[in-house]
Amino acid sequence: AQTVTQSQPEMSVQEAETVTLSCTYDTSESDYYLFWYKQPPSRQMILVIRQEAYKQQNATENRFSVNFQKAAKSFSLKISDSQLGDAAMYFCAYLHQGGSEKLVFGKGTKLTVNP
Amino acid sequence: NAGVTQTPKFQVLKTGQSMTLQCAQDMNHEYMSWYRQDPGMGLRLIHYSVGAGITDQGEVPNGYNVSRSTTEDFPLRLLSAAPSQTSVYFCASKGGRLAKNIQYFGAGTRLSVL
Repeated sequence: AQTVTQSQPEMSVQEAETVTLSCTYDTSESDYYLFWYKQPPSRQMILVIRQEAYKQQNATENRFSVNFQKAAKSFSLKISDSQLGDAAMYFCAYLHQGGSEKLVFGKGTKLTVNP
Repeated sequence: NAGVTQTPKFQVLKTGQSMTLQCAQDMNHEYMSWYRQDPGMGLRLIHYSVGAGITDQGEVPNGYNVSRSTTEDFPLRLLSAAPSQTSVYFCASKGGRLAKNIQYFGAGTRLSVL
């Protein structure tokens, strides 16, 4: 079974600085997707970024980018120029393409942004 | 575009009571699922459906029932509520590969069982 591990329960960053959230996963599959979701205090789950495993190029969305290392099964999220509104829980998730297509989540990292 | 709509947003039950959490999506997605979120546990899959008339169990299915009579609706039933079912519940729907396999979530239901 696939597992997703987020080893940092909490992280903090100064406003305008850069922070990296870690995620590793375990799978024997070759075709899959990886996601980062943000959950602010409103508890709404918001998609931040997605990566297709067959693409070597790292995904970017404005201030958010990933470092996808397929061989190492690592999928870290980098937030540049951190803003107060970035404070939230961040969840890494794995989706196997095909079969049940279940999304497997890590336990989350709570990010605090200090002014 | 409403996306995924969950009702109610909050609910308090007594042990042994039953209730149904409603979920509807207007994106014509075949795949729908229910998760529960507990502190320090992330989101865990309860049940999912890959299309109308087809459901299957996820990681934590005990105490919950689902059915999928239409593409749009995927209700979650608690038959006899227990304090261990106190949690935040999320419904989600997902398009296929052409829709980039992105899961869209409802706003969640906070359930307390006393």
